[in-house]
Formats: sequence, structure tokens, C-alpha cells
Amino acid sequence: RKEVEQDPGPFNVPEGATVAFNCTYSNSASQSFFWYRQDCRKEPKLLMSVYSSGNEDGRFTAQLNRASQYISLLIRDSKLSDSATYLCVVTLNSNSGYALNFGKGTSLLVTP
Amino acid sequence: DGGITQSPKYLFRKEGQNVTLSCEQNLNHDAMYWYRQDPGQGLRLIYYSQIVNDFQKGDIAEGYSVSREKKESFPLTVTSAQKNPTAFYLCASSIGTRADRSNVLTFGAGSRLTVL
Repeated sequence: RKEVEQDPGPFNVPEGATVAFNCTYSNSASQSFFWYRQDCRKEPKLLMSVYSSGNEDGRFTAQLNRASQYISLLIRDSKLSDSATYLCVVTLNSNSGYALNFGKGTSLLVTP
Repeated sequence: DGGITQSPKYLFRKEGQNVTLSCEQNLNHDAMYWYRQDPGQGLRLIYYSQIVNDFQKGDIAEGYSVSREKKESFPLTVTSAQKNPTAFYLCASSIGTRADRSNVLTFGAGSRLTVL
């Protein structure tokens, strides 16, 4: 089983729609969670950290469900500029050391 | 502004040649990383370094080498032993290697290597 799994998509949504992605992780001891955004042929950039209580940044809301071992990203009122790949990142410290695991990403295409 | 600089942005190499990719950061970060990304694939860790003069192999270290002689610099050499070197290479850094939400990765703009 992979450490971090995401639905690759693509998710095709019209402008103004609400879209949600999930990311599941296998290690229940995982400690920190992040969403990154990657535009085509560019580097990933931090979108937001995911807090235990959930957090919101404008149109973006991130949630953590430790019981079911997944994090989610909700985008409201989608814009054309939201088209990108969204990467889930999970980190933990263990006896084996520090581990930082990336999902393969979910592709979003927002259409006019 | 602080950040990570990778060079060159594009590089072409003949088979059998070694090539070195540069990565410099002025963020005062202790930890640095090299990732490889292939089309439609996720990021795979090549090497990482937690501190100067120390580095560890990642998941796909074969055919690569690194050095960490200065805190700011973490160059990656792609050797002729690497069978499929054509890829997008990303360097990143973080404050350290603690699993907390303040310890985020910052990436450079990447180096795109093509082997002819």
C-alpha cells in the first residue's frame, strides 16, 4: 500500500463550481499535513498547511480526519487560475527518522 | 528576497556524460533535498541532507551523487550510471527535519535535463 494516495483525476469543473479532493495516508502516526499546488512545468508551491481543527484561506478549506486517515481540500467558486495539480504531503518522525511523503497529485481543470 | 536558486534551468547531455545541477539557498535552512519528477508522476526523493557534511540516500539514489560542503549549497551530480536521467529535477529546503506544520518545503524552479 502506498504511503499517500490521491485520485489523479483530472477533475474538470466549470468556473464557479465547488470541487473537493481527498488524500489518504497509510501511517496513523503521521504528524503534519500540507497541500501544495503545482502548475504545469513549474515547481510545487505551498498552498496551505492542514490544521487538526481544519482551516480556511479564502476560497480554500482544508480538513483532517485522523480516524479515517485522510485530508481534504475544498475549493469554492473555482477560477480558471485554479487549474493546476494539487499535491498532498504527509510528514512524520519515527524511530526510522524523518519521513516526508508526497502523493502523485490530483489534476484540476477549470473551464469557462 | 530569500529563496532557492537552481541552475541551469535547461540542460542537454550526451549519453555517458556526467552533469552537475546547482542548488543554492539563502533561507538559512538546515535541510536540503533533491527530487526527480517524471511526466505524470509524483516526486521521488533522490538524496537529502539534514546538516552540512551529512547526507542520506533517498528512494532512487543509484546513479546520483551529492555533496554538502556549505549550508547554502547542495549540488547534484547525475552520473553516466543513471540509466534514465531525462527528467525534471527539483531542489528543496526546509528549516529542519521535524514533522510539524511550520516545517514547510520551499522549492527551487527546477532543472530540466534531457539526455540526447
